[in-house]
Amino acid sequence: NAGVTQTPKFQVLKTGQSMTLQCAQDMNHEYMSWYRQDPGMGLRLIHYSVGAGITDQGEVPNGYNVSRSTTEDFPLRLLSAAPSQTSVYFCASSYSGRAGRVADEQFFGPGTRLTVL
Amino acid sequence: AQSVTQPDIHITVSEGASLELRCNYSYGATPYLFWYVQSPGQGLQLLLKYFSGDTLVQGIKGFEAEFKRSQSSFNLRKPSVHWSDAAEYFCAVGSSNTGKLIFGQGTTLQVKP
Repeated sequence: NAGVTQTPKFQVLKTGQSMTLQCAQDMNHEYMSWYRQDPGMGLRLIHYSVGAGITDQGEVPNGYNVSRSTTEDFPLRLLSAAPSQTSVYFCASSYSGRAGRVADEQFFGPGTRLTVL
Repeated sequence: AQSVTQPDIHITVSEGASLELRCNYSYGATPYLFWYVQSPGQGLQLLLKYFSGDTLVQGIKGFEAEFKRSQSSFNLRKPSVHWSDAAEYFCAVGSSNTGKLIFGQGTTLQVKP
């Protein structure tokens, strides 16, 4: 049981480049989410999904796209990277989801440290 | 709207001393409350959670938290801090129908020998 995995661990991009941050979980969790962590700002929700085929925006969605074609995977796409997207990105999953369950413990991946030059 | 405030950005305590980290939340319904810890360069680990029932919640690593509805608070405590407790601590409030968590800004704990 690997839990939540994220790739890559580190990435450097140039302004305007695109890339996809990968996230996968093997716990059959319905709910998955992406956060970015910046100093002094805690974790801010970018996008989340309550099940395959369903996604929604969080607090800071601009510049990011997501899709959820399977229960296991929830990739985050940066279409045109900007220096303001330099951050540490965390993916998380939990049992909560469209079954109507309340918020429950979220399991976090190890993070991806992204630098945009 | 949901929000979480952690008033203390940085706290320093001596090893063996007691610890209290403050958390205040804003939420219209019954809150689902969490405390997470993040060691340097690591992901977040759940310390404890409160959904209902007993307002004093026990967690891992000797931590506990008390839910006080009248004060909209969920403060984290530990009676005797160890050097290994140095980390960043996050309080979070969860939605009752979407699974979303809203995090506070975090409190960095430094432990003096």
